[in-house]
Parts: sequence; C-alpha cells; structure tokens
Amino acid sequence: NAGVTQTPKFRILKIGQSMTLQCTQDMNHNYMYWYRQDPGMGLKLIYYSVGAGITDKGEVPNGYNVSRSTTEDFPLRLELAAPSQTSVYFCASSPTRGKDEQYFGPGTRLTVT
Amino acid sequence: DQQVKQNSPSLSVQEGRISILNCDYTNSMFDYFLWYKKYPAEGPTFLISISSIKDKNEDGRFTVFLNKSAKHLSLHIVPSQPGDSAVYFCAASEDTDKLIFGTGTRLQVFP
Repeated sequence: NAGVTQTPKFRILKIGQSMTLQCTQDMNHNYMYWYRQDPGMGLKLIYYSVGAGITDKGEVPNGYNVSRSTTEDFPLRLELAAPSQTSVYFCASSPTRGKDEQYFGPGTRLTVT
Repeated sequence: DQQVKQNSPSLSVQEGRISILNCDYTNSMFDYFLWYKKYPAEGPTFLISISSIKDKNEDGRFTVFLNKSAKHLSLHIVPSQPGDSAVYFCAASEDTDKLIFGTGTRLQVFP
C-alpha cells in the first residue's frame, strides 16, 4: 500500500514552459486535493476533486488546470510557467470530505527560472 | 485575509518539558479543527483533531484544547521528545470539502 505518490520529486522549469505534476493514490479515496506551500506560508488549496470527473477550484487556481478521469489519478497541469509558481506542491487524498484526515504525498519541489 | 493564524513561527523546548503550540481563527463557522505534523522533505501527516462540540481531545502525549469564545486552539505535547521536532500546522473546516491551513510553527526539542 503506497498511499499517495507524486512524481517528479524535483523539477526546474524555464518561464513559459509547461509540465504536469502526477499524483496517484491507491486507497480508493474519493477526495483528492492539490496544495502549494510557499516558504514561511501554510498550504494553499489549488484545486480539489470529490470524485472521478468532478473538479473544483480552491483558493489559488490561476495558472493551473486539473483533470480526474479515474479515482486513482489527479494530475496538475501548469501552462506557461511563471516564477510565482515556484513552490512545493503537495497532493492529498481523503475518504470523504474536508473533516476527514487527509493523506499527503511527499511533495514536488518546482523552481521556475 | 488569513482565517487561520499561527502567530509563533518557531518554538524551542527542552526534552521532557511541555510544548504548547497555538492557533487562532477568525471564522466562527469553523466546526472542525485538525493538527498536522510535517518533517522536512515529507508531506504533512495527521496528528489529532477536535470537533467544535468538544473543548478537549487527548491522544497519548498529544492534547488539543479548543476555546470557541476566544476562537483559539492549542496543541499540548507532554512530555516533548526530540522526535517531535517538526513543523506543526493547524487546519480548520466549516463543513465543506476543504481545509484552511495556518502558516505553521516550527518546534525544536533539544536535549
């Protein structure tokens, strides 16, 4: 049981490039989340999904897109990367809604230069 | 507008003593609160939670206290151990699909 896995662990992007951050969970959780953590800040919700085919915006969705075609996978797409998107990105899942414990992946450290 | 605030960015405590981490919130609709612990280069892990219908929840060395009138919660760790050194985040929910996280407090437990 791997829990929540994220790839890649690290990535450096040039301004204007695009990439997809991968997130997979093997716990059959309906709820999945993408957060970003900037230095000295808490986790900000980017997008979340309450089940396959359903996604919704969080606090900071601009510059990102998501899709949820299966229960297991919740990729985060960055189009036209900007320096402001330099951050650590965490994916999480939970069996039900926000009050439930969320299980986090190890994170992806992204630098945009 | 930061709805969940952790005003102490860091805390240093001697091993064996009590660690008290504080969290304040502004949204009176929050009805569930959680604490997460994060080690470097890892994702946060759930520690303990409390519903707004309670004022205390205990799990081993960890106790969370909730003061609804003051919109304040605290996490007590007794006794503190070196392995408790980590960043602690409080989070709150108002019966939605989302959690709102605080900015975190870095706890260092020294021998």
